[in-house]
Amino acid sequence: AQKVTQAQTEISVVEKEDVTLDCVYETRDTTYYLFWYKQPPSGELVFLIRRNSFDEQNEISGRYSWNFQKSTSSFNFTITASQVVDSAVYFCALTLNDYKLSFGAGTTVTVRA
Amino acid sequence: GAVVSQHPSRVICKSGTSVKIECRSLDFQATTMFWYRQFPKQSLMLMATSNEGSKATYEQGVEKDKFLINHASLTLSTLTVTSAHPEDSSFYICSASRHEGGRTSTDTQYFGPGTRLTVL
Repeated sequence: AQKVTQAQTEISVVEKEDVTLDCVYETRDTTYYLFWYKQPPSGELVFLIRRNSFDEQNEISGRYSWNFQKSTSSFNFTITASQVVDSAVYFCALTLNDYKLSFGAGTTVTVRA
Repeated sequence: GAVVSQHPSRVICKSGTSVKIECRSLDFQATTMFWYRQFPKQSLMLMATSNEGSKATYEQGVEKDKFLINHASLTLSTLTVTSAHPEDSSFYICSASRHEGGRTSTDTQYFGPGTRLTVL
């Protein structure tokens, strides 16, 4: 069975600080897919990124960047120059070929002005 | 693209009544839809997987007679909470799965805005 661990429950930063969210996963499968979702206070989950197990390239999208390291089974997410609008709960998730998502517990990010 | 709607966004009902929640993929056809439940400050718990034209697959511990799922078309799935009780009060979220190619060819789940159910 697969498992996703987000050890950080809450992170609080001041605007313009960088924040890194940790995600560690466990699976015995060699083919899997990793995701990050954002859940703002409104409740809707917003898709941010997906990555397959064969693609270890890091990715940058605006102020967001992701670091995928198979050697440590981690898929960390960094928000650069954080803004108040980044305040949300962020979920890391993993799926195998059955497409069911296994979510981590989530990390609540609070960005203070 | 990849917009999923959910209706209603909020519902309050009396104990013993049934509540229907609709989930629609607005700009794509979803072969699979998923229903989740989320308690305050907790992660999402998968309740069931719904495929168009077939019976839903429920996760262990989820009562299929309590939570009726109908997937009538490639763009619509409904969840009916039958004989609702206060312990059914929760945030229910649906997602619709869309296959996407490109760098990572797989299905991606897009989520609806959720329905907050309060049973009095």
